[in-house]
Amino acid sequence: EAGVTQFPSHSVIEKGQTVTLRCDPISGHDNLYWYRRVMGKEIKFLLHFVKESKQDESGMPNNRFLAERTGGTYSTLKVQPAELEDSGVYFCASSQVRRASGDNEQFFGPGTRLTVL
Amino acid sequence: AQSVTQLDSHVSVSEGTPVLLRCNYSSSYSPSLFWYVQHPNKGLQLLLKYTSAATLVKGINGFEAEFKKSETSFHLTKPSAHMSDAAEYFCVVSVTTSGSARQLTFGSGTQLTVLP
Repeated sequence: EAGVTQFPSHSVIEKGQTVTLRCDPISGHDNLYWYRRVMGKEIKFLLHFVKESKQDESGMPNNRFLAERTGGTYSTLKVQPAELEDSGVYFCASSQVRRASGDNEQFFGPGTRLTVL
Repeated sequence: AQSVTQLDSHVSVSEGTPVLLRCNYSSSYSPSLFWYVQHPNKGLQLLLKYTSAATLVKGINGFEAEFKKSETSFHLTKPSAHMSDAAEYFCVVSVTTSGSARQLTFGSGTQLTVLP
């Protein structure tokens, strides 16, 4: 079974340009998460989808970031316009519907390394 | 608020010697704690998790961690390091937000180097 995939693996853009990152979760996983690691910092939560609905977007840094998950399958994260401080690695993760007890494992993709010049 | 502190940004051990990666947590409630590993150019992989069952948790590749509430610690250990263990390790706490939403709060990571 394929794991979580992300595209592209690397992206280099100039300040002010637009970039769209894509995440394909594991088939059948309703939960999809975006995280970001800025250079030298911790990995930070951005947002959480349950199917096509945004369950929690408290970690989104500002309105230049737009996440979508049309049809509840793959998700995109658009940065428009990109700024220098947006550089970092963007991770996507997916998990099954949460059980009544315990934590469902989040499966992570390899990340997209974004460099804004 | 929940948080985790990884006490060492870099740890270097010789192959065949024990590994100890330290993690302290802060949580208002009974936490769920995890260790993830990231090898170069790979996604984060779950090593083990603690969810209020046994305090000594065994994971993959010979790793284990012990939940110590009195010390608010969840250190990761392995008796004998292998070259393939060289990677970055993250201690993580699970945060329950609204409804069933869950966030993972990550420590800053520990880079493990294994010397031949």
